[in-house]
Amino acid sequence: GAGVSQTPSNKVTEKGKYVELRCDPISGHTALYWYRQSLGQGPEFLIYFQGTGAADDSGLPNDRFFAVRPEGSVSTLKIQRTERGDSAVYLCASSLYQRGAEQFFGPGTRLTVL
Amino acid sequence: AQSVTQLGSHVSVSEGALVLLRCNYSSSVPPYLFWYVQYPNQGLQLLLKYTSAATLVKGINGFEAEFKKSETSFHLTKPSAHMSDAAEYFCAVSGAGSYQLTFGKGTKLSVIP
Repeated sequence: GAGVSQTPSNKVTEKGKYVELRCDPISGHTALYWYRQSLGQGPEFLIYFQGTGAADDSGLPNDRFFAVRPEGSVSTLKIQRTERGDSAVYLCASSLYQRGAEQFFGPGTRLTVL
Repeated sequence: AQSVTQLGSHVSVSEGALVLLRCNYSSSVPPYLFWYVQYPNQGLQLLLKYTSAATLVKGINGFEAEFKKSETSFHLTKPSAHMSDAAEYFCAVSGAGSYQLTFGKGTKLSVIP
């Protein structure tokens, strides 16, 4: 079956611009997670959704970052007034909503802020 | 709070040799522990996970890991390295009522012919 998909695969933008990153999870997975992976580091948690609501957004670095999942499926991560430090690979994962469930990761979106 | 420490950012082994990648965790409650592998230009793939059943966990591609509570460790092993094992490996923990994963910084495995 189809895995987690993310679009675009690459995004280059200029400092100060607004970007949206999209994640399409595995059908039937009610939990959806966003992580950010900087060069040479492991993924860092940003936010996760159970259904339509953000269950934990404690990893969002500041109020320039926002994510939505209006219909409980596709999610969009939105970054306002991008900064060079936002450059990273943004990973999306989905899973069944149970502790210890395997998270299935998408290929990521590589964001470069010039 | 939970955390993961992976000792050795880069490990090199000869083809056919034992692979040992180290992971230590901290968690205030019994954790769920995971090993993921990331091949170049690919997404993260689950190798194996520990969820409080057997302490020795077998995964894909001949990998296994042993949960040792007394040592707070979850080291990944494979008896005989193959060239195709060259990749980056991440240990992760989920605990304390949270669903998200906390990852280590990763260990890049190189396999020498």
